[in-house]
Amino acid sequence: GAVVSQHPSRVICKSGTSVKIECRSLDFQATTMFWYRQFPKQSLMLMATSNEGSKATYEQGVEKDKFLINHASLTLSTLTVTSAHPEDSSFYICSAPQGGVAFGYTFGSGTRLTVV
Amino acid sequence: KQEVTQIPAALSVPEGENLVLNCSFTDSAIYNLQWFRQDPGKGLTSLLLIQSSQREQTSGRLNASLDKSSGRSTLYIAASQPGDSATYLCAGTNAGNMLTFGGGTRLMVKP
Repeated sequence: GAVVSQHPSRVICKSGTSVKIECRSLDFQATTMFWYRQFPKQSLMLMATSNEGSKATYEQGVEKDKFLINHASLTLSTLTVTSAHPEDSSFYICSAPQGGVAFGYTFGSGTRLTVV
Repeated sequence: KQEVTQIPAALSVPEGENLVLNCSFTDSAIYNLQWFRQDPGKGLTSLLLIQSSQREQTSGRLNASLDKSSGRSTLYIAASQPGDSATYLCAGTNAGNMLTFGGGTRLMVKP
């Protein structure tokens, strides 16, 4: 089935630095990628939607200058957390439709970001 | 705006018990409804996908139903096992390919 590979799985960074998270669709073309954030024991919160060849769409309250999203190709989308602070520590997950909404969504394995 | 609610938020059952997880949604104009499993610190694994035209889907010990008119979906797990312990999330897809998640049900199956 469709697979989305997400890296890194865990990252610890110092406050003020930037971190890049990559999501690659391995056996299908992902024209759209959704980025979520999840706090402990809570459900997923949609942050933004990236589309290949156009600017990302951010949800209300999400700082687009802090969470930079790039959809460089039909198989790669990246999320960069710029000037990270401890409050950015969270679990970030990407997701893409499996070749069309009718086929549901496949998710990456998630990235645990810890900012110290 | 679609809102998805899952009840109960947490559930603890003895091994071997059959159980039902509930999911309700406010906007019946969904394209499909998907059930996921999430283990601690991991991503989401898709369990079942029900199209809006379907009533149910089955995979092994899992059966998911969909009733658009009442805005409800259920996930039935037969003969539960300790390995079924995880958080179960339901999510509906609406216009714009938006996936809206419920809060999840944390399931613990005790040996």
